[in-house]
Amino acid sequence: TQLLEQSPQFLSIQEGENLTVYCNSSSVFSSLQWYRQEPGEGPVLLVTVVTGGEVKKLKRLTFQFGDARKDSSLHITAAQPGDTGLYLCAGITGNQFYFGTGTSLTVIP
Amino acid sequence: NAGVTQTPKFQVLKTGQSMTLQCAQDMNHEYMSWYRQDPGMGLRLIHYSVGAGITDQGEVPNGYNVSRSTTEDFPLRLLSAAPSQTSVYFCASSYVAGELFFGEGSRLTVL
Repeated sequence: TQLLEQSPQFLSIQEGENLTVYCNSSSVFSSLQWYRQEPGEGPVLLVTVVTGGEVKKLKRLTFQFGDARKDSSLHITAAQPGDTGLYLCAGITGNQFYFGTGTSLTVIP
Repeated sequence: NAGVTQTPKFQVLKTGQSMTLQCAQDMNHEYMSWYRQDPGMGLRLIHYSVGAGITDQGEVPNGYNVSRSTTEDFPLRLLSAAPSQTSVYFCASSYVAGELFFGEGSRLTVL
């Protein structure tokens, strides 16, 4: 059962553009994480959000956890080629991590 | 820093063969887990463990066995490989419900 749906699945944009990736679920999570994965490697953690409504900023990346702790968004400002990769959200319930379907981002120079 | 080490990186099996994917971590993490990654499906949890001697099933456990005899090691066994098990497998470890540290993955093809 896939609990987390991400949209869009694929995104190709020009350098300098802004973008938002969404992670939606009907389930409530105790916390939510975002990872980025590059080809041939394992995912690497970007951020963890815990509180409903929480907003965290990491340089040009802004992460928001929904008030009901069921959804999240990732906004990238002025995208750069180095942002290219697969972005995965993960909802945490108890000892289980449920990963989203992934968003593949390509930033064209 | 070794982190999470997976072996082998690549493996080709015939239907019905068995094999073990090895995973070792040197961070003294209690939590270890196995995922499979298929196109458009993200990562799906196969099995996980919260400590030595304790394992539990994830979303897609059928066809896979695990054991956790030490804190460091968490092998994944395929007893009778099927083409549907062709995938990229990732092992990950963490402090419970913390940041997951992933290995580099093991690409398995079942013919």
